[in-house]
Amino acid sequence: GQSLEQPSEVTAVEGAIVQINCTYQTSGFYGLSWYQQHDGGAPTFLSYNGLDGLEETGRFSSFLSRSDSYGYLLLQELQMKDSASYFCAVRMAAGNKLTFGGGTRVLVKP
Amino acid sequence: GAVVSQHPSRVICKSGTSVKIECRSLDFQATTMFWYRQFPKQSLMLMATSNEGSKATYEQGVEKDKFLINHASLTLSTLTVTSAHPEDSSFYICSAPTRDYKNIQYFGAGTRLSVL
Repeated sequence: GQSLEQPSEVTAVEGAIVQINCTYQTSGFYGLSWYQQHDGGAPTFLSYNGLDGLEETGRFSSFLSRSDSYGYLLLQELQMKDSASYFCAVRMAAGNKLTFGGGTRVLVKP
Repeated sequence: GAVVSQHPSRVICKSGTSVKIECRSLDFQATTMFWYRQFPKQSLMLMATSNEGSKATYEQGVEKDKFLINHASLTLSTLTVTSAHPEDSSFYICSAPTRDYKNIQYFGAGTRLSVL
């Protein structure tokens, strides 16, 4: 079956750096995406990696190693508003369907 | 602003009634939309893929007759929960993907369904 593993919860203080790892075992792979979801809200797109390497978007960066079936999301200069759940998601085929990981709840403390 | 609109945001209904949820793409055409179900503090579980002009594709274990999906136009997909029961209470979210290489999915705000 398909599986995406990520830590369930991470706690950090404002200004810190947090890395959320995601390991996947899927029947196919076209790319790894990251989404943020605040409680009661809609998931919003953060980053995408189709090829190995680092993608940087402001305070957020994402990394992918296809040979290791591994990726991570790096949150820098943490702010209180970054408290949310973060999901990795794999696109397994040429279509648009995504399979989501279990999510990582990030709690930012003052 | 939101590029995917989902209505209603909250529904409370009696057991046995049917509930329709609408998902509209506002700024782009979506030949495909997705419907997810999410339990508290859990991940997004894909229920089905809504295909414009053809039948929806359901994930394993999802009852087709319970969750009716219609994709009547390039901007509208509807999910109807038929004969709802308390166990159908959940957060339902739709999404529509863009056509760029990043396959960004824009999500609706979700519908919280409570069946009494």
